[in-house]
Amino acid sequence: DAGVTQSPTHLIKTRGQQVTLRCSPISGHKSVSWYQQVLGQGPQFIFQYYEKEERGRGNFPDRFSARQFPNYSSELNVNALLLGDSALYLCASNPAPQETQYFGPGTRLLVL
Amino acid sequence: ILNVEQSPQSLHVQEGDSTNFTCSFPSSNFYALHWYRWETAKSPEALFVMTLNGDEKKKGRISATLNTKEGYSYLYIKGSQPEDSATYLCASSGGSYIPTFGRGTSLIVHP
Repeated sequence: DAGVTQSPTHLIKTRGQQVTLRCSPISGHKSVSWYQQVLGQGPQFIFQYYEKEERGRGNFPDRFSARQFPNYSSELNVNALLLGDSALYLCASNPAPQETQYFGPGTRLLVL
Repeated sequence: ILNVEQSPQSLHVQEGDSTNFTCSFPSSNFYALHWYRWETAKSPEALFVMTLNGDEKKKGRISATLNTKEGYSYLYIKGSQPEDSATYLCASSGGSYIPTFGRGTSLIVHP
């Protein structure tokens, strides 16, 4: 079975631009979560979606938004990029929020 | 404890050594404690999930224990091998089921 997939794997943007990151969950998983990981820190929770509805949001500015589609895939959008948005963005899926999360390989974003 | 804390931050051991790491977490509103192994250039891999006080889980040479009353978990690796080199993350989740991660313990096993 395919695991969680994310695209693109790497991305370079300049300050002020907008970016969209994509995630496809494991088949049958209805919950998708997004995390930001910067060097030396653990993954920081950004969003969780379950059955296409947002059920949790971390302490991130409104420049960050996400959505989940009918096929349970998800997109994370970041507007007006700042240098500090440079990080590894991880997507994780699970059948339901209370179950173990399975992570994708991440998208590494560099903002110049 | 308000956040999830892991110690040590990094660890270098020789092949064959046994080692252990600590994860401290808020004991109130606790639902589950997760351990992940994260190898370089790979996805974090789920090792264990524990929910009950006194839980012990084992997977090969790796085992974990949970104390929910005092808010800590230990991860043990017996007879470390170079392939055990990775960052070990723990995460605690409460009633919302949204996990809060620690910073991880970086383990390097020297041949």
